[in-house]
Parts: sequence; structure tokens; C-alpha cells
Amino acid sequence: DSGVTQTPKHLITATGQRVTLRCSPRSGDLSVYWYQQSLDQGLQFLIQYYNGEERAKGNILERFSAQQFPDLHSELNLSSLELGDSALYFCASSEEGRAGYEQFFGPGTRLTVL
Amino acid sequence: AQSVAQPEDQVNVAEGNPLTVKCTYSVSGNPYLFWYVQYPNRGLQFLLKYITGDNLVKGSYGFEAEFNKSQTSFHLKKPSALVSDSALYFCAVSLASGGFKTIFGAGTRLFVKA
Repeated sequence: DSGVTQTPKHLITATGQRVTLRCSPRSGDLSVYWYQQSLDQGLQFLIQYYNGEERAKGNILERFSAQQFPDLHSELNLSSLELGDSALYFCASSEEGRAGYEQFFGPGTRLTVL
Repeated sequence: AQSVAQPEDQVNVAEGNPLTVKCTYSVSGNPYLFWYVQYPNRGLQFLLKYITGDNLVKGSYGFEAEFNKSQTSFHLKKPSALVSDSALYFCAVSLASGGFKTIFGAGTRLFVKA
């Protein structure tokens, strides 16, 4: 158990809908990362937050947004969902937001868009 | 731009034999290098990292990796493979110069046959 929690574990929804994925980092970790894992794209970095502020952005679509709250938990919002958004979404946390710190991954949320 | 290549989609090895999972990287500065492992239906788990110092890094579950600056490689090794080592392995790189992104390779699936 990494100490990172993600809810829900599974999510099934329809095209055009909006969903929110939630992540609680390990106790004491200030940085949260979001990743999308699909069969054909591998593990894609979406976005990173550090202590409530956006720190780095990856291949995140404009339909997706995220935030990190004062209690350090984070939410990833996915809107106008398309079939291609079906994937595993992972949250990870690290002690600091700088390079050199390993990340601890949650169990993931499996999103299925029908 | 930084990148990571794992040239083998799959590696097959017999139990008890040594294993190597290859990784090469491309960065414009000094890299921080990581290996993670993903078991089925689980999040990624940190195995080991290279920051600086000794080129041979030892990690969890008997794994080690060798940093080779001239060949820009960071291959993962284990002297004697176990069936339970069968999993998906990811190499990752982040910049030591202060960049915040971590880039993951496409992953290599390791099959250890009894």
C-alpha cells in the first residue's frame, strides 16, 4: 500500500458527460501528479501540483482540468467525455515537487466511456 | 526535449537466470533516473533511482541498475529471476537542473517462466 488513495475505483459513464476523480496523497507529501494510462499511449503525464499551485503541465486536454486543495487532496475533472478518454487514471504523490524525488502511485481509477 | 526509450516491448527469461531490462534516455542536462514496476491491476511501485554517485544502484526485491553516462543508459538487472518478477517495468527520467516533469518510457513486459 503506497498511502495514496484514489476514488472511485471504477467509473462507467456516457459520451458527453463530466466526471471528477479524487486523489489523497501520502501523509506529508506536498506534490500531486496525474497520469493517464491507455493501451496505445502508455503512461502519459497530465499535470502536477505542488502545495496548491500548478507546477507542470503535460499532455492534458483542454477538456480536462485539475486542482489541489488546501488539505492537499486533488481532483481531476474530465468533461465532454469521448470514447477515447477511456483509460486508467493514476494519481501519484511525492514529498517535494522537484526532480529526484520518487513518486508513490495510487491504485488508479478505471474510466470507461460508453 | 527529454525522452526515454525502452527498446524491448517484452523480455522473456527462465526462472533462476539473470534478467536485463533496457533503458536509454535523452536529456539536455544531468538526469535523475528511475525504475518502477507495475503488477496487474495495480499502480506503479518505485524500485530504485539514480541521483548521483555510484553508477550501480541497488533497489527493492534484489533489483539493481547501472547508470552509464557515455551510453546514456540505465539498464535494470537482477542476478536470478523469479516467476513473481513477471510484471510491467517502466524507466523514467527527470532533469536534475530543476525541471519538474518526469517522462516515462513505454514500458517493458517481463515474463519469467518456471
